[in-house]
Amino acid sequence: DTGVSQDPRHKITKRGQNVTFRCDPISEHNRLYWYRQTLGQGPEFLTYFQNEAQLEKSRLLSDRFSAERPKGSFSTLEIQRTEQGDSAMYLCASSLQGIGYGYTFGSGTRLTVV
Amino acid sequence: AQTVTQSQPEMSVQEAETVTLSCTYDTSESDYYLFWYKQPPSRQMILVIRQEAYKQQNATENRFSVNFQKAAKSFSLKISDSQLGDAAMYFCAYRSTGANSKLTFGKGITLSVRP
Repeated sequence: DTGVSQDPRHKITKRGQNVTFRCDPISEHNRLYWYRQTLGQGPEFLTYFQNEAQLEKSRLLSDRFSAERPKGSFSTLEIQRTEQGDSAMYLCASSLQGIGYGYTFGSGTRLTVV
Repeated sequence: AQTVTQSQPEMSVQEAETVTLSCTYDTSESDYYLFWYKQPPSRQMILVIRQEAYKQQNATENRFSVNFQKAAKSFSLKISDSQLGDAAMYFCAYRSTGANSKLTFGKGITLSVRP
């Protein structure tokens, strides 16, 4: 297993367009998290899944954002009608269920909305 | 809600010297986990060290150790014998023990290492 993979690494889009990001977690990890990180800030929680169930969504996740994890494997994060304020690094992480486990992060998808 | 504060935005250390990165947090819980993560430029975030709040002994991982002061809600990271590869952003993070808990991060600190 090569760790958590995110695709694409970089995405430039025009304001108003829709974008979709993909995350492939470590195969045996049943928890998957999405975070957003802006320049000079720490990652902010967006949402997380346990297997295929989306268990929590942050208030940061407006109705333009939707995340899925079909079959409890890979996950997608879609942003509709992108705005310049959506420009950020979107990080995916996975972990085993259990509070003591740290997360394994992917390299992130850097979104630039022009 | 828990908060994590890293008040130093940047620090610099001479290669082979020791540096301490500060972190404070606010919580009303008695049991939780604390983490330090490292994020090198344009690379993924990796776990450096983890501390369980109910353990009094400070965690150590090779050149990395923590000073965990539970009463003061302080969790600093000490890097000994600093190396050029230690240059990165370092994030302090908190996680409660609830079943649905997730990591809450501080703003991070940029560490530079002078050769």
